[in-house]
Amino acid sequence: DAKTTQPPSMDCAEGRAANLPCNHSTISGNEYVYWYRQIHSQGPQYIIHGLKNNETNEMASLIITEDRKSSTLILPHATLRDTAVYYCIVRTENTGFQKLVFGTGTRLLVSP
Amino acid sequence: DAGVTQSPTHLIKTRGQQVTLRCSPKSGHDTVSWYQQALGQGPQFIFQYYEEEERQRGNFPDRFSGHQFPNYSSELNVNALLLGDSALYLCASSLAQGTIYFGEGSWLTVV
Repeated sequence: DAKTTQPPSMDCAEGRAANLPCNHSTISGNEYVYWYRQIHSQGPQYIIHGLKNNETNEMASLIITEDRKSSTLILPHATLRDTAVYYCIVRTENTGFQKLVFGTGTRLLVSP
Repeated sequence: DAGVTQSPTHLIKTRGQQVTLRCSPKSGHDTVSWYQQALGQGPQFIFQYYEEEERQRGNFPDRFSGHQFPNYSSELNVNALLLGDSALYLCASSLAQGTIYFGEGSWLTVV
């Protein structure tokens, strides 16, 4: 089972910031939080990941709470092309093996 | 730098047939995983290959098998196809424990 909880859907106006929350209250100390998005009929696209510090790249920012039980993905200036399903994933590792366990994600709709 | 590439992009098979899907990992990656994504669902882990061996397997029957070649490319084989095998099959690659990247997938329809 997925170790994360996300709202099923969110709306955002074009040009505004989109803030997508994720709860991962059972995360372990050495587990990373990863964000992917999936635009209709395409493969999941990697966005960003972090352990405990806030992270920023050309696509988004990731804010992780101090207790690491939740995080927020921020798209600073959402565009129509950001409409997608966003998945928050805690990366599971076991003796050098890793897999991604996807939940149901958040369907973000960016409107004009 | 080519990303993860998969072929074919779409295919239609009949129940009972067998199918082979192919994947070339991102340049420099040595680990390949396969995921199945049914319509409206999130991707589900099938198995992972490293050094030409299956390292871990998800909850899929033995009809699903795979292979990794010395150049790190991989195949997914599904035998005795069922209607329920209709899905988007995703290949993902990484370098050891690094970030995992996905291909665009192969859409399989079983009729």
